[in-house]
Amino acid sequence: EPEVTQTPSHQVTQMGQEVILRCVPISNHLYFYWYRQILGQKVEFLVSFYNNEISEKSEIFDDQFSVERPDGSNFTLKIRSTKLEDSAMYFCASCNRDSIYEQYFGPGTRLTVT
Amino acid sequence: GQNIDQPTEMTATEGAIVQINCTYQTSGFNGLFWYQQHAGEAPTFLSYNVLDGLEEKGRFSSFLSRSKGYSYLLLKELQMKDSASYLCAVFDSGYSTLTFGKGTMLLVSP
Repeated sequence: EPEVTQTPSHQVTQMGQEVILRCVPISNHLYFYWYRQILGQKVEFLVSFYNNEISEKSEIFDDQFSVERPDGSNFTLKIRSTKLEDSAMYFCASCNRDSIYEQYFGPGTRLTVT
Repeated sequence: GQNIDQPTEMTATEGAIVQINCTYQTSGFNGLFWYQQHAGEAPTFLSYNVLDGLEEKGRFSSFLSRSKGYSYLLLKELQMKDSASYLCAVFDSGYSTLTFGKGTMLLVSP
């Protein structure tokens, strides 16, 4: 069964450094999402992406964040200058036009900012 | 604004039935989802309701009342592996996003 994959599974970085989190959505999916979950808290929407542009973004998704689909398979989230409070699990999700409401989540990247 | 409420924790016994409630107040509504999340793992899709009524899927059923802003997830014949967090989420058509509740941690004991 096709699945969303994410790399790395765990990233440790120092405050102020840039990180890029990578996702490979399911191949025939057209809608892509990033969510984050701070330990012990709820899953929070960051951004949605369709047709090579951002569709929606939350208040969390400020100028420090950017997304890109550099090729036909990868979908990346970049954090330019990480802060301690960026430490969280970051989930990528994707869905297709036929089942736009059923988002498939990747296993997540645990980001630890020290 | 967006507000989704569900109990923080519930406990139940193996083989029993448990109902997890969710109430929501959102600016737009285009469906309600239930996800299961085991500790340290990604949410996995369980069910989706867009119209009022009951949707049944094996041991899991989900109910929606749009007029009351209310849903529940019913789990039957509980198994130990059902111990997880259950997330209620609303698809907000106004924002085309999924808004999650804080989740209900279900502990199934022998």
